Amino acid sequence: EIVMTQSPVTLSLSPGETATLSCRASHSVADGLAWYQQRPGQAPRLLVYGASTTAPGIPARFGGSGFGTDFTLTISSLQSEDFGVYYCQQYNNLVTFGQGTWVEI
Amino acid sequence: QVQLVQSGAEVKKPGSSVRVSCKASGDTFTDYAFSWVRQAPGQGPEWVGMVIPLTGTGNEAQEFRDRVTITADESTSTAYMELRSLRSEDTAMYFCATSPWHLVGRFDNWGQGSLITVSS
Repeated sequence: EIVMTQSPVTLSLSPGETATLSCRASHSVADGLAWYQQRPGQAPRLLVYGASTTAPGIPARFGGSGFGTDFTLTISSLQSEDFGVYYCQQYNNLVTFGQGTWVEI
Repeated sequence: QVQLVQSGAEVKKPGSSVRVSCKASGDTFTDYAFSWVRQAPGQGPEWVGMVIPLTGTGNEAQEFRDRVTITADESTSTAYMELRSLRSEDTAMYFCATSPWHLVGRFDNWGQGSLITVSS
């Protein structure tokens, strides 16, 4: 099983700042990497797939990068509605999720 | 865009089985792969398995392989997950999620979730 490790556990930022979230895979997943946002009581929402392609309807301030084992989600100009837990997920070899980064605004 | 509506919450005894449904509407059923993802309270999501109605194939996470069955009924546009030999650790919200059938794992659409509680 491919293990996904996210850092930091918690990120506390102010509106307008930039958030940088990291995700590392235990083995290469090529570009089979997605990012999700989950707010309390809701299902996850797809933000980025293919490591760097922003999903339809997602604001341009969300951007993904990386390939292989190291990935980054950048959220620029943070807004209050960007709070929640962010998960990375690999789908190159079955599917596994990271344990999440909690973003507080 | 497909819409997914799941069956309701259930309380089950340890050792019993549960069957959760996920009805799709708004798009072609066979364009999608249907996965089941569970989330225990305060934990990250965990992929259980998936089925591709177009090909009739599927796969499961190793952890669930011997006690989960995931199926799809094209005539009713509904996917199902049956989990057997339930234990307290199976208490979780269970989501169905869809991917393009040829790109399993890119979960574009999610159901509302079905809370399964395992308790004696």
